[in-house]
Amino acid sequence: DVKVTQSSRYLVKRTGEKVFLECVQDMDHENMFWYRQDPGLGLRLIYFSYDVKMKEKGDIPEGYSVSREKKERFSLILESASTNQTSMYLCASTFDGTVDNEQFFGPGTRLTVL
Amino acid sequence: ILNVEQSPQSLHVQEGDSTNFTCSFPSSNFYALHWYRWETAKSPEALFVMTLNGDEKKKGRISATLNTKEGYSYLYIKGSQPEDSATYLCASRNSGGYQKVTFGIGTKLQVIP
Repeated sequence: DVKVTQSSRYLVKRTGEKVFLECVQDMDHENMFWYRQDPGLGLRLIYFSYDVKMKEKGDIPEGYSVSREKKERFSLILESASTNQTSMYLCASTFDGTVDNEQFFGPGTRLTVL
Repeated sequence: ILNVEQSPQSLHVQEGDSTNFTCSFPSSNFYALHWYRWETAKSPEALFVMTLNGDEKKKGRISATLNTKEGYSYLYIKGSQPEDSATYLCASRNSGGYQKVTFGIGTKLQVIP
C-alpha cells in the first residue's frame, strides 16, 4: 500500500514566518507534487519534481520554493508566509512518466497564516 | 492553464437514486483523464484513469465514460449509498511529460439516507 505522509495536519503561522511543509512517500515514486486547494478552485499545482534535485514550476509558484534532496521526500517552503497563503496543501506522488499513473495523495496540511 | 470544468458543483440525492455528473476538458493534445474521490478528512483516491476515446470503466456501482473528440467524461453512480458522499474530482492530462494534470473544482455529492 502506497503511503504518502505529510508532516502536519494543521499548522498556524504568523505573517513573515518561514514555513516548511514536508511530504514523504514510501514507494520509490519518481514524481512528487505540491498542490493547494481553495474554495471554488480546483487543486492548483505549485511545484513538481521528477527526480532528486529536479524541480519544475507549476501554475502558481510565486511565493513558494521546494526542495528534493532525497527521492522519498519533497518539501514545500514558504519563505515569508502571507495571509493569502492560508490554504489546504496536498502532496502527491506518481510512479514514473512512462505510463499514465494515478496520483497518490497525502492527507493534506491545513495552513492558517495570521 | 487548461480549463477543466465539472458540473454540477454540488448535488444532493436520496439513498438508492442513481446520479451522474460531467467533466469537460480540452480535447486538443489529450493524453488521459483521471477521476478521484475525495472523502472529508481523507486523501483523494483514484477511481479511474482513461485514455482512449469511447473508454468505459467500472468499479462496483461507479462507472465512467470518455469522449476525447468532444472533450467530456461522465461519472455514473448507480443506487447511491451514504458512503458515496464525497467530492468527485476529474483531472485532465493534455500532453506528455512528467504526469502534470489539471484538476476541475469537483462535484460535491451528498447522499441523504
